[in-house]
Amino acid sequence: AAGVIQSPRHLIKEKRETATLKCYPIPRHDTVYWYQQGPGQDPQFLISFYEKMQSDKGSIPDRFSAQQFSDYHSELNMSSLELGDSALYFCASSPRGLAGTDTQYFGPGTRLTVL
Amino acid sequence: QQQVKQSPQSLIVQKGGISIINCAYENTAFDYFPWYQQFPGKGPALLIAIRPDVSEKKEGRFTISFNKSAKQFSLHIMDSQPGDSATYFCAASMMSGGSYIPTFGRGTSLIVHP
Repeated sequence: AAGVIQSPRHLIKEKRETATLKCYPIPRHDTVYWYQQGPGQDPQFLISFYEKMQSDKGSIPDRFSAQQFSDYHSELNMSSLELGDSALYFCASSPRGLAGTDTQYFGPGTRLTVL
Repeated sequence: QQQVKQSPQSLIVQKGGISIINCAYENTAFDYFPWYQQFPGKGPALLIAIRPDVSEKKEGRFTISFNKSAKQFSLHIMDSQPGDSATYFCAASMMSGGSYIPTFGRGTSLIVHP
């Protein structure tokens, strides 16, 4: 079965640089979520999109922005990177059409290291 | 302030034993309680979930017990196997913007010795 695809899997950046993370949801999933997971931490919700519109906003820094495109893939743009941005970034997708469903399918994550 | 409190932080169990992980929440607006399993280098995967109108849900060796009045829920892993060694996150969710956004606990690192 197709899963959530994230690219790149690993990314190394310098402080103050920018980074773009990509997420390709499971086919026919219309909702995408972004999470940040620091070392030994639980995933923290950043932002979500439904049908290309921002649906919910969590603890996403102002330096970050995201969008969902017409093919439902999503990109997380991160600017002015800081050392503290080093983390695993997960994308998850779900089919909102099913009433009451909460099943989010997580991708393998992108490990961002800021030097 | 952690909205979902999870314990223990780490757990070591012998093969065949029972693993028990506990979680507690404060916000009574939460109405969906999933458990996620995460292996190193992988994303969290939904293991089992429960809604507050049910006190227990069992799927194979995994059971969720839910106590609405105490605002507590727990995961029991029966006949624990070395392959169960992973980090387990409890979560509590409520509908927001048309979808459920989970608030995760801090996680429990489970090691099952052969």
